[in-house]
Amino acid sequence: SYVLTQPPSVSVAPGQTARITCGGNNIGSKSVHWYQQKPGQAPVLVVYDDSDRPSGIPERFSGSNSGNTATLTISRVEAGDEADYYCQVWDSSSDHPNVVFGGGTKLTVL
Amino acid sequence: QVQLQESGPGLVKPSETLSLTCAVSGYSISSGYYWGWIRQPPGKGLEWIGSIYHSGSTYYNPSLKSRVTISVDTSKNQFSLKLSSVTAADTAVYYCARQRWEPPDSPLNFDYWGQGTLVTVSS
Repeated sequence: SYVLTQPPSVSVAPGQTARITCGGNNIGSKSVHWYQQKPGQAPVLVVYDDSDRPSGIPERFSGSNSGNTATLTISRVEAGDEADYYCQVWDSSSDHPNVVFGGGTKLTVL
Repeated sequence: QVQLQESGPGLVKPSETLSLTCAVSGYSISSGYYWGWIRQPPGKGLEWIGSIYHSGSTYYNPSLKSRVTISVDTSKNQFSLKLSSVTAADTAVYYCARQRWEPPDSPLNFDYWGQGTLVTVSS
């Protein structure tokens, strides 16, 4: 089965840039989507199709995807960005196509 | 505005069947999109359970497939989840969500989510 690997935690000071990675075999050939989840809340889509932003998501959130790594970049990090972030793909490479989530990364704003 | 609302028992006994319904408002299920169920055990990450198209076509998580049934009721604009033979490991917050897709048949991201409902498996 397809596996997405994320670092458990990332820490960054306010105003700096946070980069959260999502590793997978040839993930560059798939569309990667990113969600933000704050405690006690449902996930919110922040980037879809590698680098597109839904309406209402700040331009500070951006994404890229190439080779075996996709990256969510949060520029000018704010305290309100502290949350768990999950990457997600649709894996159609096996006999049983399915949705795959990464294990999640906790972003801490120092 | 698309809204989804999960409903169902908050407590289920071991070996019984967990049943949840997701009511959709602001969008007709028959108009398209996949509709999915995702769960999150306390303190853990997201796990996809399965997705259904309005026509009834389904995809299930291979690790849960033997126990899962997802169905859709277009007349009530809702879809449902049944998970059989539950154990304590099935204790989680269960979310329903709308899922974008692209032809010919590739579900993509989830764009609208319900608030989630906690289901505890305990005797």
